[in-house]
This record gives sequence, C-alpha cells and structure tokens, in this order.
Amino acid sequence: DAKTTQPPSMDCAEGRAANLPCNHSTISGNEYVYWYRQIHSQGPQYIIHGLKNNETNEMASLIITEDRKSSTLILPHATLRDTAVYYCIVRFTDKLIFGTGTRLQVFP
Amino acid sequence: EPEVTQTPSHQVTQMGQEVILRCVPISNHLYFYWYRQILGQKVEFLVSFYNNEISEKSEIFDDQFSVERPDGSNFTLKIRSTKLEDSAMYFCASSVDRQETQYFGPGTRLLVL
Repeated sequence: DAKTTQPPSMDCAEGRAANLPCNHSTISGNEYVYWYRQIHSQGPQYIIHGLKNNETNEMASLIITEDRKSSTLILPHATLRDTAVYYCIVRFTDKLIFGTGTRLQVFP
Repeated sequence: EPEVTQTPSHQVTQMGQEVILRCVPISNHLYFYWYRQILGQKVEFLVSFYNNEISEKSEIFDDQFSVERPDGSNFTLKIRSTKLEDSAMYFCASSVDRQETQYFGPGTRLLVL
C-alpha cells in the first residue's frame, strides 16, 4: 500500500498558488518523495522529487519538513491546465506505488 | 524533449485473444516498466525490466503476461489470452537507472469484449 496520505480534493483559483500537502510519517532516511500528476487518463507526468532539501524546478516547488514526515507541493501560479490528480509517492524500490492522490480543480 | 511513446493508442480485442502492446522508451534509458490503470482505480505496477530480464513483478503479472525487448528500441507487453478484467489503460515507463526518475508514455487503452 501507498505510504502517503493526501487530501482527496482541493480547489484553487487561477493565478493563485496551489499548495498540495502530503503526509509520509513512516518515510525512511533513504527514500525520496516524488510528485506526479495525471490529467484525465493520460500517462502520469513527473513533476519534482526530493530527499530532504527543498527543491524547485520550472513546474513547481517541493517543501519537505525537517523531520521529513510531510511535504508540500507548490504550484506558484495555477492555471486551468493544472487541473489534475496529483500523486505524492515515497519511493523505496524501483517501482512506484500510486495512491489515490489529490484531485486539484483550478477554477477561473 | 525525448518522450516515451506507445502504440496503439487504443486496442479492442475479443476475450481469449492475444494482444501485444508496444512501447519505445527514451533512448538512453536502461530500465523499463509497465503499469496499468483500470478505469476509476489506482495506477498499479506490473513489472520492471533491465538487461533483458524481469527485475521485479507484481502479483498481477501472472503467466498470462510477458515482456520482451525484441530489438534495441521497442519494449513490449504481451497478454496471451485476454480476459474481460484486463480492460485498462496500460502505461509504459522508462528511467536512466533503477533509482532515477521514471517517465511515462501516454498509454494504450485496452478494451476486452
């Protein structure tokens, strides 16, 4: 089973920051936190990943708490095209274990 | 930007028929994966493949399933005798190395009638 807990759904106004939380209280020291998203039934799209430091790329920022038990994915300026299901995954083998994710709805 | 590609995008087959789903991983990637997603359910891991061998498989990946890298570019998933419950989206993914980021293809929608 997935080792993460995410809210089932969130709303965000277009142009505002979307902050998606994830709890992973049983994470081990060498396990990375990965974020993917899935738009409709398309293939999961990689967003960002991190181990302990905060990370930023052109899509998003990832904030990991110091104890690594939770993280937040930040989409700084959400657009309608960011409407998707967002998955937080703690990766401990070469396989990804997907949970049910957070369904983010961006509204105009 | 390199992408994983999959063919066909849609496949309709009769129960009991064999199907082969094809994937072209990103060219310098060495690890390959298949996942599936039954409509309305989670994305599920099926199998990982490296150096012409299965490195890990799930309990879903039974004797009806097989994978192959028949040449230097394609990676295939074969279902020998399809069942109704095999109807799903099948996603191929690849990564440079075992612990590196996996990149997914657009999927093949398989419908078994």
